[in-house]
Amino acid sequence: EVQLVQSGAEVKKPGDSLKISCKVSGYSFTLYWIVWVRQMPGKGLEWMGNIFPSDSDTRYNPSFQGQVTISADTSISSAYLQWSSLKASDTAIYYCARQAVKRSFDLWGRGTLVTVSS
Amino acid sequence: EIVLTQSPGTLSLSPGERATLSCRASQSISSSYLAWYQQKPGQAPRLLIYGAFSRATGIPDRFSGSGSETDFTLTISRLEPEDFAVYFCQHYDNSLWTFGQGTKVEIK
Repeated sequence: EVQLVQSGAEVKKPGDSLKISCKVSGYSFTLYWIVWVRQMPGKGLEWMGNIFPSDSDTRYNPSFQGQVTISADTSISSAYLQWSSLKASDTAIYYCARQAVKRSFDLWGRGTLVTVSS
Repeated sequence: EIVLTQSPGTLSLSPGERATLSCRASQSISSSYLAWYQQKPGQAPRLLIYGAFSRATGIPDRFSGSGSETDFTLTISRLEPEDFAVYFCQHYDNSLWTFGQGTKVEIK
């Protein structure tokens, strides 16, 4: 079965670091870009950035550049999104998805809820 | 940066009715990179339409996409109970993806 399995919910304090994961199965991880999308509580969708696992070519939405780091490990077919210092405003659900035909996102993980609160 | 504006914000309809959702771009865009997604509460988005017109795998034919340049439409020909959800349009251009703010289709 083709799927993207994301790591579990996290509760962190402002200033904490965090790395969440997205493990791919059912297709060749190195052939497709993986994207990360943020959804703040009750809000819409925002593209954060994407990575091509084969060569780790990474692109960022300027709004998120410098705020997060996207990476991938082809040995375990996983992509990652990480923060070095979380803020309360990072509270959101973070989705990974596969970038597919005509730049659409055809497969999605279930999302990782990140809560940042003191 | 291209801005996508969806209307209406909320659409109140009954099962069996036709739903017409609009996505307007702030400037002319390529229909090749216009997509629509459905999101139900507590779930991830699901791709419905890509390239403005093409249905994604497994999407029923009651969903259709149309439009060009600045005006795009998602039509649900006859609403089924499972279609009540939030719908987002999305566009790719110049290495950037943007989403509309969403239209909620609710049961009247």
